[in-house]
This record gives sequence, structure tokens and C-alpha cells, in this order.
Amino acid sequence: AQTVTQSQPEMSVQEAETVTLSCTYDTSESDYYLFWYKQPPSRQMILVIRQEAYKQQNATENRFSVNFQKAAKSFSLKISDSQLGDAAMYFCAYRSESTGNQFYFGTGTSLTVIP
Amino acid sequence: DAGVIQSPRHEVTEMGQEVTLRCKPISGHNSLFWYRQTMMRGLELLIYFNNNVPIDDSGMPEDRFSAKMPNASFSTLKIQPSEPRDSAVYFCASSFEQGLSSYGYTFGSGTRLTVV
Repeated sequence: AQTVTQSQPEMSVQEAETVTLSCTYDTSESDYYLFWYKQPPSRQMILVIRQEAYKQQNATENRFSVNFQKAAKSFSLKISDSQLGDAAMYFCAYRSESTGNQFYFGTGTSLTVIP
Repeated sequence: DAGVIQSPRHEVTEMGQEVTLRCKPISGHNSLFWYRQTMMRGLELLIYFNNNVPIDDSGMPEDRFSAKMPNASFSTLKIQPSEPRDSAVYFCASSFEQGLSSYGYTFGSGTRLTVV
């Protein structure tokens, strides 16, 4: 089975500052997708950003960007200009052809934004 | 589109009772997933359907759990009889999957199940 590791159970950041959440994964495949999901206290899981492994360019969505290091099997999420609404659990997820349609999720990082 | 719709949002039931959770996926999505989230085990895939057909139910805990997808717009997850250890948040998610192309899941708001 694929494994996705988020080594930071909790992180905090000052409002307007930048924070980076870490994610590593284990795979022997070359083609796959990586995702970051946000789960605020409302518990709704929201897709934040998506990266295709065959693309070298790091994905960016407004204040959210990733640092995708394929050789190192690392997929970190950078949140710039942090806002109070960014406070949530963040989950990293992996999906490849060998996993079928199943996504494998990490255990999550709880992000606190300090006013 | 209203997104993935789950009902009920909260369910409290007594041990031994039957519980049915419902999900309406996004129109046009061809895959549907049921996940369970707990503090101890995180997000666990219970079962997923592709084009209404169950593909992988290896995550279903035991025979007390069953899931159906009678058509492309509706799915149910049933627990009979329910036990306190089934208490969790149950998510339904749908996606459009074509070969390796994947645009990510869209999750419903989840059903918080409490079995007392």
C-alpha cells in the first residue's frame, strides 16, 4: 500500500506570515497525482491544490503553492500571507493508476493562525 | 451544482439499531467513495464505486456494513446492527476519473454518527 506521511501534527503561524506544511510519500511509480485538502472546523473537506507528477512546474493557487520534489518524494504546501480563515486541518493525498481511484491520505497537520 | 449532498448531517442512535447514511454525488461524476474519519485512524476508505459498480470494498469493517449505489445519483451506507465503535464522521465523495486523469475528490459535508 502507498504511504503518505505528514510529520507535523500541529503548526502555527502569525497572521500575514508564511508557513510551510510538509508531506512525503512512498511510491515506485512515475505517474501520479498529489493533492492538498483543507478541513476547517465545519469539517467540510476542501480541495486546495493539485499537482500532476509529470509536470515539473509547481502548482499555484492564489496564496497557496507547492514545492514538489519528485526525486525526494516530497510535496510541501506553502501558505503565504496567512489569514485567520486558513486555520484548519490540512491533509496531503496521493493517487496513482495502481491505486485505482483510491486516494491515500496522510494523518493531517492542524494549522493555527495567530492574530 | 450543489456539490455532494449527504444526509443526515448528524445521527444519534442506540446500539443495535440500523443506521442508513445517504449520498447524492455531483452530476457527471463517475466515481463515488465512502470514507470514515476518526481521531485514532484518520481517513479510511470503506468502499468505492465506479459507474455504480462496487470496485473495492476491502475497507468495509465487517458484515454489519453494506453499501449500495442503485443509480448514478444516489448511494447509501448502512450499518446493521450499529455499535458504539462505529461512532465517527462518515464522508461521501465523488470524482470524475478517466484513466490516470484525476481532478480530485469533491467531498460532502459528512455525517457525524454517534452510537450510544
